[in-house]
Amino acid sequence: EAGVTQFPSHSVIEKGQTVTLRCDPISGHDNLYWYRRVMGKEIKFLLHFVKESKQDESGMPNNRFLAERTGGTYSTLKVQPAELEDSGVYFCASSQGGREYFGPGTRLTVT
Amino acid sequence: AQSVSQHNHHVILSEAASLELGCNYSYGGTVNLFWYVQYPGQHLQLLLKYFSGDPLVKGIKGFEAEFIKSKFSFNLRKPSVQWSDTAEYFCAVRGDSNYQLIWGAGTKLIIKP
Repeated sequence: EAGVTQFPSHSVIEKGQTVTLRCDPISGHDNLYWYRRVMGKEIKFLLHFVKESKQDESGMPNNRFLAERTGGTYSTLKVQPAELEDSGVYFCASSQGGREYFGPGTRLTVT
Repeated sequence: AQSVSQHNHHVILSEAASLELGCNYSYGGTVNLFWYVQYPGQHLQLLLKYFSGDPLVKGIKGFEAEFIKSKFSFNLRKPSVQWSDTAEYFCAVRGDSNYQLIWGAGTKLIIKP
């Protein structure tokens, strides 16, 4: 069974640019989560999809972040325009039955 | 507000030493508790979890954790660590009324061979 995958693994962009992160969950998992870890800080929840619907987006920092989940399959997280404080590792996880499986993360560096 | 506190940010031990990593949480209701581990260059993976029942839970690789409700604690233990236990360890909590995980800041564990 393939695990959760994320693309890209690393992204370096300049302040003001746009970046789109992608997450492919485990096939059949209805729940998909995005988390972020800013360097040296704790991992923070961003949002939760159930199939294609946003169940909880209370952790999204501001309206520069837009998440979508097309057809209840993969999800994208777009940051536009990126700011320096957006740098960090973005984790995606999927779950079915109460246990989350995490992807490897995307390390985003905004310069 | 819900929060999770991990007592140590860095721990260095020699092989065969005993390990205990502290985790305290703040939440006003029923919780599910987790310890995750991230080995160098690898994904976050679940070490063990507590949902209900026996408060002493056993996980993979010889780890165990004890839920003490009166102390709001869920400390991770291993009687004898190995060099391969070098990793970052995260305690996390989920309330029974929502899905999001609340995380501690992580503890970097280094085992000296």
